[in-house]
Amino acid sequence: QKEVEQNSGPLSVPEGAIASLNCTYSDRGSQSFFWYRQYSGKSPELIMSIYSNGDKEDGRFTAQLNKASQYVSLLIRDSQPSDSATYLCAVKVRAQKLVFGQGTRLTINP
Amino acid sequence: KAGVTQTPRYLIKTRGQQVTLSCSPISGHRSVSWYQQTPGQGLQFLFEYFSETQRNKGNFPGRFSGRQFSNSRSEMNVSTLELGDSALYLCASSSGETIPTDTQYFGPGTRLTVL
Repeated sequence: QKEVEQNSGPLSVPEGAIASLNCTYSDRGSQSFFWYRQYSGKSPELIMSIYSNGDKEDGRFTAQLNKASQYVSLLIRDSQPSDSATYLCAVKVRAQKLVFGQGTRLTINP
Repeated sequence: KAGVTQTPRYLIKTRGQQVTLSCSPISGHRSVSWYQQTPGQGLQFLFEYFSETQRNKGNFPGRFSGRQFSNSRSEMNVSTLELGDSALYLCASSSGETIPTDTQYFGPGTRLTVL
């Protein structure tokens, strides 16, 4: 079982709709969860971080964490073409080590 | 505040050569982590340096090594390059505090091509 798993996609969503990205992790002791966005040819850029069960909202982005189910998700409301990118789920498994999922490629169709 | 910088941005080497990559963290950050990104394996953790000491290490062969200087700048070295070492090498900077909220910020990366 991989430490962090994401649906690789690609995920295609019409402009203005909600994009839902999912991630599961295997280490129950994990305390920190991050979503990074990576445009083609660029480096990962931090979108959201979440540490407690429940929802965390930042503008059009909402991260959701359920530690009992070992599940993290990212919702993007009112999706824009500029949201088209690969979204990486990362889990901090100990100290400073981040383990990344394979990433979900998201395309927003105008 | 300036972000994470990496040099060089692009590098072409041949098999058997060695290469050194450099990373300067965000001012005030003391931790530098290195990652390798390839289409097949995704983003994989190489190692992390904090206060000039390697604090964490991933599952890479000994050909991959690093160091950190007193100003927190870090270098990564790959010896006896193989074709499979072609990748985007990313460094990430953070305060280094061992608290859940400590967050890593990535540099632009160094694209290494091994011929």
